[in-house]
Amino acid sequence: GNSVTQMEGPVTLSEEAFLTINCTYTATGYPSLFWYVQYPGEGLQLLLKATKADDKGSNKGFEATYRKETTSFHLEKGSVQVSDSAVYFCALKGGYGGSQGNLIFGKGTKLSVKP
Amino acid sequence: EPEVTQTPSHQVTQMGQEVILRCVPISNHLYFYWYRQILGQKVEFLVSFYNNEISEKSEIFDDQFSVERPDGSNFTLKIRSTKLEDSAMYFCATKADGNEQFFGPGTRLTVL
Repeated sequence: GNSVTQMEGPVTLSEEAFLTINCTYTATGYPSLFWYVQYPGEGLQLLLKATKADDKGSNKGFEATYRKETTSFHLEKGSVQVSDSAVYFCALKGGYGGSQGNLIFGKGTKLSVKP
Repeated sequence: EPEVTQTPSHQVTQMGQEVILRCVPISNHLYFYWYRQILGQKVEFLVSFYNNEISEKSEIFDDQFSVERPDGSNFTLKIRSTKLEDSAMYFCATKADGNEQFFGPGTRLTVL
């Protein structure tokens, strides 16, 4: 079945450090891939997405490239800020018909950025 | 900016009691979802709802769970007889056409 595996947290970085959060997936068909972010006390917000192989999603300085050959969708940011402190979830939506699009999530990675 | 809202933010209940979690979708959204996250574990899909009926459900969504949209606005999740293992954060999500689901802030359910 479909599944998502992302790196365990927590991750603690200094401001302006480079961030990578690894995410790999197992899926049949052609899934769409997502990164969601959850700031303290808030709901999940879509950060970026990619719907086909080699697509790059980007938003707020974050990027992730859909790599079908390595079944990966790693999240990167060149210079993190304190305001990026949150929990980040990798997710996929199955690529075959018959689904209303329920998302399959990884466990989440908590990022703390220190000034 | 329109947003999904959920009430209550925190619900404490005794084992065996019924609970109803409420979600108010974004107004033009037609697809509705419930997810849950047990502390320290993955966010898990429970059920999707479209056109006033369940369109998909996971193995977690057994006979103790039900969903409905009683008044055309609220979307509710009912747990008939709560168990300790139902303690989790429950997220509602809604969407229009297209890929993006918009999530509410969640309801923390604690079963004692």
